[in-house]
Amino acid sequence: SQTIHQWPATLVQPVGSPLSLECTVEGTSNPNLYWYRQAAGRGLQLLFYSVGIGQISSEVPQNLSASRPQDRQFILSSKKLLLSDSGFYLCAWSVYDNRYNYGYTFGSGTRLTVV
Amino acid sequence: AQTVTQSQPEMSVQEAETVTLSCTYDTSESNYYLFWYKQPPSRQMILVIRQEAYKQQNATENRFSVNFQKAAKSFSLKISDSQLGDTAMYFCAFMGGGGATNKLIFGTGTLLAVQP
Repeated sequence: SQTIHQWPATLVQPVGSPLSLECTVEGTSNPNLYWYRQAAGRGLQLLFYSVGIGQISSEVPQNLSASRPQDRQFILSSKKLLLSDSGFYLCAWSVYDNRYNYGYTFGSGTRLTVV
Repeated sequence: AQTVTQSQPEMSVQEAETVTLSCTYDTSESNYYLFWYKQPPSRQMILVIRQEAYKQQNATENRFSVNFQKAAKSFSLKISDSQLGDTAMYFCAFMGGGGATNKLIFGTGTLLAVQP
């Protein structure tokens, strides 16, 4: 069965420090991968998505970047965190099937607090 | 651009009763998919139910069912026999049917509290 792992679960970082959040998927190949951010009490905002190794699409210009060094690995990074980067970050995966849409499967999320 | 609107920020229901959460969306596409996701206090996003726009029959999953009104662009979620474990944030979401790069677009959510 497919599983998605996301870590760390909680992170407190000072302003100006770097960031690296990692997401890996098991049990499937060539998934579409996504990074979402959820601000407190609000909906989910798509940050990045990837349909293959090295292929990254950015939805919102910001202080963050994403990379996909391996088929089932997706990394969210920042060189210098801002206070506004605080939030709950969710990784998700899907597999494209032109006959049926299975929706996304989400990881358990990372709560990032920038202090 | 597609948008998803959930006009009820918070709702409350008594245990064992029925509650309906509202969702409207805007799109010019004819082929698309709609979803309801549940986010309990653990914040894990869980798929509750999905609906294909080309299907007229409303989707059902146990105590969860939808009322899909394509012409009105409405997609409400009905929870029957509400249980304490249904307490969560519920998100309505839209995805176009055009290909591998279509993204899931979420509404702002409805916080549902099931009261004992």
